[in-house]
Amino acid sequence: EPEVTQTPSHQVTQMGQEVILRCVPISNHLYFYWYRQILGQKVEFLVSFYNNEISEKSEIFDDQFSVERPDGSNFTLKIRSTKLEDSAMYFCASRRTSADTQYFGPGTRLTVL
Amino acid sequence: AQRVTQPEKLLSVFKGAPVELKCNYSYSGSPELFWYVQYSRQRLQLLLRHISRESIKGFTADLNKGETSFHLKKPFAQEEDSAMYYCALRGGGGFKTIFGAGTRLFVKA
Repeated sequence: EPEVTQTPSHQVTQMGQEVILRCVPISNHLYFYWYRQILGQKVEFLVSFYNNEISEKSEIFDDQFSVERPDGSNFTLKIRSTKLEDSAMYFCASRRTSADTQYFGPGTRLTVL
Repeated sequence: AQRVTQPEKLLSVFKGAPVELKCNYSYSGSPELFWYVQYSRQRLQLLLRHISRESIKGFTADLNKGETSFHLKKPFAQEEDSAMYYCALRGGGGFKTIFGAGTRLFVKA
């Protein structure tokens, strides 16, 4: 069964550095999402992406964040200048249509030192 | 404001006992409600959604619009049900999914 994949599984970075988290959604899916979960807190929506543009974003998704679908398979989340409070588990998700089930990746644990 | 509340952080029951994981929501409109489950060392996965009105792994959930609740129930808990359970909401026509804080279910032998 096809799955959403994410790399790396764990990323450690210094405060102020740029990081790119990578996701490969399921191949025939059209809607893509990023969520994050700070340790001990709830899963929070960051951004949704459809038809090569952001369709919705949360207040967390400020100018430090960006998303891209650079080719037909990858979906990336970039954090330009990481802060300590960006340390979290970042989940990618995709779905085929807006009514279908959302499938989650295994997550990337980002640690900002 | 859209909000999902799961009042219990941890629920511990014995095997064979009934389980009810509570979820209340706040949304001005007709939302879609979901339950997601995350087993140890596994990814988040959909357990069930209210529009399907189905039973998955013995779990059911009924949307009560009057009480704005979507409680998850199972008549006889099994040890393999031990996991983190998240109630979630998506607004009609919206893209984002709002999650509750989650309830850890621990089923004791």
